[in-house]
This record gives sequence, C-alpha cells and structure tokens, in this order.
Amino acid sequence: GAGVSQTPSNKVTEKGKYVELRCDPISGHTALYWYRQSLGQGPEFLIYFQGTGAADDSGLPNDRFFAVRPEGSVSTLKIQRTERGDSAVYLCASSRGLAGEQETQYFGPGTRLLVL
Amino acid sequence: DQQVKQNSPSLSVQEGRISILNCDYTNSMFDYFLWYKKYPAEGPTFLISISSIKDKNEDGRFTVFLNKSAKHLSLHIVPSQPGDSAVYFCAASAGGAGSYQLTFGKGTKLSVIP
Repeated sequence: GAGVSQTPSNKVTEKGKYVELRCDPISGHTALYWYRQSLGQGPEFLIYFQGTGAADDSGLPNDRFFAVRPEGSVSTLKIQRTERGDSAVYLCASSRGLAGEQETQYFGPGTRLLVL
Repeated sequence: DQQVKQNSPSLSVQEGRISILNCDYTNSMFDYFLWYKKYPAEGPTFLISISSIKDKNEDGRFTVFLNKSAKHLSLHIVPSQPGDSAVYFCAASAGGAGSYQLTFGKGTKLSVIP
C-alpha cells in the first residue's frame, strides 16, 4: 500500500511569511508524528497526534508553530512569521496507534523548507 | 544534552565484510530502540527494532544487540553490500513512560566499498 506522503517536497519562502506543510499518513494509522531535521542532526520530535488530538506537543519550539489533524487523517503543520532558523527538513511519520504498544514509526520523504 | 549518541560520524567497510554501527543512550526510561536507514533526499526507512526485554533481534543480514547495563546498542550488517551505503540513525523511545516520541542520534554515514 501507499506510504506516508508529504507535500510540497520543497518550499522556499521569505522571512516573515506563513507556510503550511501537509502530511498524508498510511491508511488506517491513527498515530501521526512531526519531526524536524536540521543539517547534520538527527530528526527532532515536534508533535504527536493520536486521532484528532495532539497527545504530546512538547517538541514545538515556540508559538509560531502549530499543527492540526481535524479528521484524524491528514495533518498540516503551520509556521507563522517564518525565520531563517526554521530552514530544515520537516518529516512526518505514522504508526498504527495501538494503545500501550511500542510501534514502528514509518516516515515520509519530508518537506525541505528554506527561509530566505 | 544528547540522550542518544552515535559517536562515529562515518564508517567505511569493504563489500562482504561486517559493518558494526554503535549507539549509546543516557535515558534509563528508554525501552524501545530502532534503527533507520536514510538515503539523500529521502525520509528515514525503518530497518530493525528491539524491545528492552530482549538483548538481540535478527532480520536477515541485520542484527541489533542491546546491552542495557551499558546503555549501548549496536547494529551488525553482514555481509555488507554497496547498496547499504547510507546514513544510519539510532532512535529510542520511552513508551513505558507514556511518551512515543523518538529521540534520534546524529547518524553514522556508512560507505560500503566494492
């Protein structure tokens, strides 16, 4: 079946602009995660959804970052007033979401965001 | 403070030989560990995982070993193939503590020389 998809694959914007990044998880996966990977680093956790609700948003760096998942499937990561330091690859992952179980997270190809 | 450390940024191995990638962690709450492989311009691809109740898990050419007392895990690839050349990330989570977020190391770039 189809894997995790993310759009756009690349996004170039200017400092101060607003951007939206979209993630379409694996069909049937109720858990969805956003990570950010800066150059030379491993992915860093941003937020985790179980269904429609954000179960853990402790990784969001500040209030310019927000994510939604209104119908429990597609998620959108929103960044307001972008800064050059926001430039990174934004990765989305999904898993089955079975309660109490450690699960493998499957990643999408990422969106490469460049803030000029 | 890095909770998951991959101290070797790069590793070169001859085709057919064994590749050993190492990972250390500091958080004793971690109870699930995963290895991902990443090619340029692609997302991480899951390779193999191990729960803290085990000390070894094997899948084809890939074996992961976990030493809880040393807070150390390693990924063995044998025999290594040129297609294994990629960046390998070690990741951990503390699901038992109610958190499913993955904490990643910085990665090790493996080059398998034909």
